[in-house]
Parts: sequence; structure tokens; C-alpha cells
Amino acid sequence: RKEVEQDPGPFNVPEGATVAFNCTYSNSASQSFFWYRQDCRKEPKLLMSVYSSGNEDGRFTAQLNRASQYISLLIRDSKLSDSATYLCVVSLTDSWGKLQFGAGTQVVVTP
Amino acid sequence: EAQVTQNPRYLITVTGKKLTVTCSQNMNHEYMSWYRQDPGLGLRQIYYSMNVEVTDKGDVPEGYKVSRKEKRNFPLILESPSPNQTSLYFCASSLRQGFAYEQYFGPGTRLTVT
Repeated sequence: RKEVEQDPGPFNVPEGATVAFNCTYSNSASQSFFWYRQDCRKEPKLLMSVYSSGNEDGRFTAQLNRASQYISLLIRDSKLSDSATYLCVVSLTDSWGKLQFGAGTQVVVTP
Repeated sequence: EAQVTQNPRYLITVTGKKLTVTCSQNMNHEYMSWYRQDPGLGLRQIYYSMNVEVTDKGDVPEGYKVSRKEKRNFPLILESPSPNQTSLYFCASSLRQGFAYEQYFGPGTRLTVT
């Protein structure tokens, strides 16, 4: 079983709509969580960190559910430029420097 | 401009021919790391380095070597490449070790081993 699992998609979303997807992690000791964005096999870039209380950055909202061991990302008012693969990243407390990446969820925003 | 650079960007080689992929960052970051990305598997960490002369294995270190003689450089060495090392490789750096710091990725190196 993979440490970090994501629905690969693609999630086809009309422009202006809302899309949400989850990422599950297997290690209950995981402490830090992130969403990275990757465009078409280019380098990943940090989208946002995920805090215990949930956090919002413009049209993006991230939530953490420790009891069920998943994080979520919600994108409101989707733009064409939001089309990308979203990578879930988890860090383990006992392994400084080691990050676990999910395989990514592809989002395609259509006109 | 703050950046992580990798060279070469594309490489086709043959089985067994030693190669080195260079990685350099100009942000004075302590932490550097190498990943490989394969379809359906996501990024997997190969090696990481918390500072000069300090390196450690990631999840898939077999067949790779690294060194960290200078803070800015973290080359990846394939002593005897095999076809199963065909992949997209990313180098990354962050200010410090630890999960709290954003990782900055290089543009990637697409390696094909025939």
C-alpha cells in the first residue's frame, strides 16, 4: 500500500465551477502536509501548506482530517490556468528531510 | 534570480555508461534532495543532504550515488545506469532540513537508458 494515495483523475471542471479532491496518508504519525502544483511534467511548486485548523489562500482551501487521515484541496471559481496536476506531500516526524509524495491528481479546467 | 539548475536537461545513454547529473542552487540552502518521477508512482526520494558532507538515503537509493562537497552543489551519479533508471529526475533545495520549509525544484532532467 502506498504511503500517500491520490485519485489520479482527471477531474474535468467547467470554468467557474468548484472542484475538490482528497489525499489519504497511511502513517498516523505524519505531522506536516502540503499541496504542490505541477504543470505538464515541469517542476513542482508549492501551492500551500495545510494547517490543522484548515487554511485558505484566495480561491484555494485546504483541510486536514487527522481522524480519517486525509487532506483535501478545494478550488473555487476554477480558472483555465488552474489546469495542472496537484501533488499531495506528507512529512513524517521521525524522518527529518524525508517527504512522501502522492502520484498526483490531474485537474482539467474547460472553457 | 534565485533558482535551482540541473544539467543536462535531457540525456539518452546506454546501459553501463557512467553519468553525472549536476544540481546547483544559488540560495545558500542547507538542504538538497534528489527525486525521480515515474508515471503512477509520484516523486520518490533518492538521496538527500542536510548540509555539506552530510548525505542520507531516501526511499530508492539503489544504483545512485551523491556527494555534497560544497553547499551549492549536489550531483547525482549513476555508476552503471540500467534501463529501469529511465525516469524524470528532479533536484530540490530548501533553506533548512525539515518539513517546515518549502522545497524549490530544478527544471528536471529526462534520462533515457537504452
